[in-house]
Parts: sequence; C-alpha cells; structure tokens
Amino acid sequence: EVQLVESGGGLVQPGGSLRLSCAASGFTFSSYEMNWVRQAPGKGLEWVSYISSSGSTIYYADSVKGRFTISRDNAKNSLYLQMNSLRAEDTAVYYCAKTPLGWDYFDYWGQGTLVTVSS
Amino acid sequence: EIVMTQSPATLSVSPGERATLSCRASQSVSSNLAWYQQKPGQAPRLLIYGASTRATGIPARFSGSGSGTEFTLTISSLQSEDFAVYYCQQYNNWPQWTFGQGTKVEIK
Repeated sequence: EVQLVESGGGLVQPGGSLRLSCAASGFTFSSYEMNWVRQAPGKGLEWVSYISSSGSTIYYADSVKGRFTISRDNAKNSLYLQMNSLRAEDTAVYYCAKTPLGWDYFDYWGQGTLVTVSS
Repeated sequence: EIVMTQSPATLSVSPGERATLSCRASQSVSSNLAWYQQKPGQAPRLLIYGASTRATGIPARFSGSGSGTEFTLTISSLQSEDFAVYYCQQYNNWPQWTFGQGTKVEIK
C-alpha cells in the first residue's frame, strides 16, 4: 500500500524558515517523480514544486521560486521542502504527491502538514 | 499559465440524483486532465485521469468526458459519500500544472 506521510509543519514568523519532510513507503520511491502541492485555508489547490526520480530535474511555481528548495533522498525514501523567507501567503496545508510513471497527474497524496506564517 | 475554470461553484443535489460538473481550460489541454475529490480534513483523491479513465478503485458512477478546453465530470447517482469538493487539474502544460477553483457538491 502506497503511503506518504508529511511532517515538519508548524507556526513560523514571517521571514523565517521551515523544512518539510515526506516519508514514502509501499512503492519503489527512487523510480517516481514527486511533487509538493499546497492548499491555503478554505482555498483551492496550488502546485508548488516538482522533482524528477533522480533529483536532477526540478521546477518551482513562480510564487515560491528563489525561496523554496525541493530535494529527495532515495536511500531514505524521503522527499523534502526547504522553505525560506516565508510570507503570510505561504500559510497552507502542504501535501506531497506522487506522479505515476509516464504521466503527470498525482495518483497518491499524503495527509498534509499545516504551515502557518504569522507573527 | 493555463487557467482552469470550474462551474458551478456549488451544486446542490439530492441523493440518487445525477450531478454534472464542468471544467473549462483557457487553452487546449488535449486530454491531459484529471479530476480529484476532496472531503473536509482529507487529502485529495484521484478520480479520473486522461479526461475519462477512472483511477483504480473508483466506482463506475463516476465518469469523465471532454477534450481540448471543455470537460465534464458526471456522478450518475449521488451517494452520501460523494458530497465533497471536486477539482479539475490540467497536466498538459508541463511543468506548470494548474487546478480549477473547485466545485462543492452539497446535499439538497
């Protein structure tokens, strides 16, 4: 059974940093592309970042480019999101989401971790 | 950026009735469209990909159609567990994936 479990969320002040983690199990993590998707309270879904299976190809949404860094450790079956220079508008539930081989939609999602940026 | 527009924002339907949700893309996304269901406090769940292919374990009462810029998700006979928010997502414009704003299906 595919499982994605996020952690690392919490309350942080504007301008602060936070590192999210996503622990994967139930599939060969190193073979799959992964993403982070976020959802502000009461709002819709916003794609944040993508990383290829090897980690060699990375993309970001314009809203986080230059502030967020996605990475992965295939030996630890883990995905990460380093978030710096956080703003109030980054407040959201952050989901890690798996992409099936050869496709670009999201077939499995974690339960999410809440990041609140507030003073 | 491809803008996805869903309508209506809220759909009030009685159990057992048919629900039809629409999603429009600002430019063609071919058949590279997915639908997700999200219940309160839960992560989104994949329902449909490739505009019309049901994901594993999704009941047959869910069906998707369309291509290009106009898409439809139909729930043939609403069950109590189907009341939720539904999102469409285009994945044609890689890697700038975009979602619609969602349609809430509520009990009438």
